[in-house]
Amino acid sequence: DADVTQTPRNRITKTGKRIMLECSQTKGHDRMYWYRQDPGLGLRLIYYSFDVKDINKGEISDGYSVSRQAQAKFSLSLESAIPNQTALYFCATRQGARETQYFGPGTRLLVL
Amino acid sequence: QQQVKQSPQSLIVQKGGISIINCAYENTAFDYFPWYQQFPGKGPALLIAIRPDVSEKKEGRFTISFNKSAKQFSLHIMDSQPGDSATYFCAASSKQGAQKLVFGQGTRLTINP
Repeated sequence: DADVTQTPRNRITKTGKRIMLECSQTKGHDRMYWYRQDPGLGLRLIYYSFDVKDINKGEISDGYSVSRQAQAKFSLSLESAIPNQTALYFCATRQGARETQYFGPGTRLLVL
Repeated sequence: QQQVKQSPQSLIVQKGGISIINCAYENTAFDYFPWYQQFPGKGPALLIAIRPDVSEKKEGRFTISFNKSAKQFSLHIMDSQPGDSATYFCAASSKQGAQKLVFGQGTRLTINP
């Protein structure tokens, strides 16, 4: 089984709808991240969490919110989706001060 | 403002050739420089990384060259193979930046057989 899983893998939604993307990990890592990937822009950090009680905004947090339900689960919500949020979303994990981040397979989101 | 600039955006190399991807950074506090490899439908995965106390790091066919004074680093893929076809991202982070990765724009590499 994959160490970092994301659900759903693909999602089509309409403008104004609320949507939640979920991330689960079995690596036992304490740190979790949400990124979005857009062509020509690379990956940009949306939110990150160092533990269940520590959540921080990243570079592009406007329009997004997160919830760290447990050490292994980190959800990203779009309260009112807009077409500009159409992108590929990745969750990643990291253990403590170790540098390597481990990415999930991504969620492709289309907002109509 | 893009703190890490990557070029080229796309690259086509013949099998057996050398692939070179370049990155430049602005923040002198960056102290960790990884390269991530991403295949279609997959998440990025760490390929190789370097710290600024060395000028080069080699792992198999993959080499990072690092120029601290120029604030540039590059990925060299020797004897490029069709299986190397992927998107490559450079990144940088610093301890004072909570080790958050700042990514370059990505390079789509195609190796022609």
